[in-house]
Amino acid sequence: QVQLVESGGGVVQPGGSMRLSCAASGFNFSNYGMHWVRQAPGKGLEWVAFIRYDGSDKYYADSVKGRFTISRDNSKNTLDLQMNSLRAEDTALYYCAKVISSSWYSRGIFGFWGQGTMVTVSS
Amino acid sequence: DIQMTQSPSSLSASVGDRVTITCQASQDISNYLNWYQQKLGKAPRLLIYDAYNLETGVPSRFSGSRSGTHFTLTISGLQPEDFAIYHCQQYDDFPFTFGPGTKVDIK
Repeated sequence: QVQLVESGGGVVQPGGSMRLSCAASGFNFSNYGMHWVRQAPGKGLEWVAFIRYDGSDKYYADSVKGRFTISRDNSKNTLDLQMNSLRAEDTALYYCAKVISSSWYSRGIFGFWGQGTMVTVSS
Repeated sequence: DIQMTQSPSSLSASVGDRVTITCQASQDISNYLNWYQQKLGKAPRLLIYDAYNLETGVPSRFSGSRSGTHFTLTISGLQPEDFAIYHCQQYDDFPFTFGPGTKVDIK
């Protein structure tokens, strides 16, 4: 069965860096686009970034552009999010999500989500 | 960016009720609209994609519809396991955006 397991969260000071990872299993990872979506405590969902199945294209929310970098290693079935210059407003539960199918048309349909990893930016 | 609004922000309903949640896009997004259910402390779950299509395994009491930029999620016969927060999301264009969510709780 499909599994997505996020890791790497924790507490970091403002201006610091953190790298999140998402380990995928149960499907052909190299065929699917992947997303990061976050949810601040008690708030709604915010899309963060997307990477195409082969890593050829990446898209970011304006709020993280220039600070966050999404990447993937299809040989290891892992998705990463490198977060630099972290701010208090980046505090959230970060989910990785798999698109519903390998078609580009389905790039924005989040068919399966991990359980998330919590990032807290605080001094 | 495309803005998504939802109404109501919360509602109270009883088991067996018909519940309707609406989502409005700030511009034409065709059918590129999805609905997710999120229970307390859990990850979101895809319910409806492309405005109308029921995700595999989702009960048929859930349905979606569209009129222009106005979208509706209907639960026909609310069940105890349906008490949750419901989110709409557009993917017509990047950045993908979510509505603020609608909380459905027990009356």
